[in-house]
Amino acid sequence: KAGVTQTPRYLIKTRGQQVTLSCSPISGHRSVSWYQQTPGQGLQFLFEYFSETQRNKGNFPGRFSGRQFSNSRSEMNVSTLELGDSALYLCASSSTPAPGSTDTQYFGPGTRLTVL
Amino acid sequence: GIQVEQSPPDLILQEGANSTLRCNFSDSVNNLQWFHQNPWGQLINLFYIPSGTKQNGRLSATTVATERYSLLYISSSQTTDSGVYFCAARHYNQGGKLIFGQGTELSVKP
Repeated sequence: KAGVTQTPRYLIKTRGQQVTLSCSPISGHRSVSWYQQTPGQGLQFLFEYFSETQRNKGNFPGRFSGRQFSNSRSEMNVSTLELGDSALYLCASSSTPAPGSTDTQYFGPGTRLTVL
Repeated sequence: GIQVEQSPPDLILQEGANSTLRCNFSDSVNNLQWFHQNPWGQLINLFYIPSGTKQNGRLSATTVATERYSLLYISSSQTTDSGVYFCAARHYNQGGKLIFGQGTELSVKP
């Protein structure tokens, strides 16, 4: 079974631009979560989607948004990029998203975004 | 929300040595995972261990949920074990939201 895939793997943008990152979960997985990793803040939860609905959201500004499609693929968008948005963005998928669930999350290779 | 703390932050070992990494969490959890982040940034699953003990080769992990900590043991360390180890926990009513510790950076010298 193929793992979680993320595209693109690397991206360079300038301040003020917007960017869209894509994540394809493991086949059969319906939950997708996004995380941001920076040297200063570590790994932080952005949001989680299941069945095209956002189920959970981290403490990030509204410039960060996401969506999920009917095939469970997910995209996240960052508008009006700032230098501080430079980070590794990781996507994770799991098969059971319900509260109280105990399912393992599997991570993709990440997209490394650099904002100049 | 829950807080996750890892110790030590850094660890330097000679090849062949054993090590123990610790993860403390502040509330009841229903998901506790250990990851190894490779040099390219991908998080590799090591263990899913909300309670009990598991072993996989030279690695083993124990979570004592009632005392809110988990331990990752690495025996006979190899240079390829180098990297950052993260634990992450999820509160029972937080869906898929994992809270990560700050990681332990392990360096194994030949």
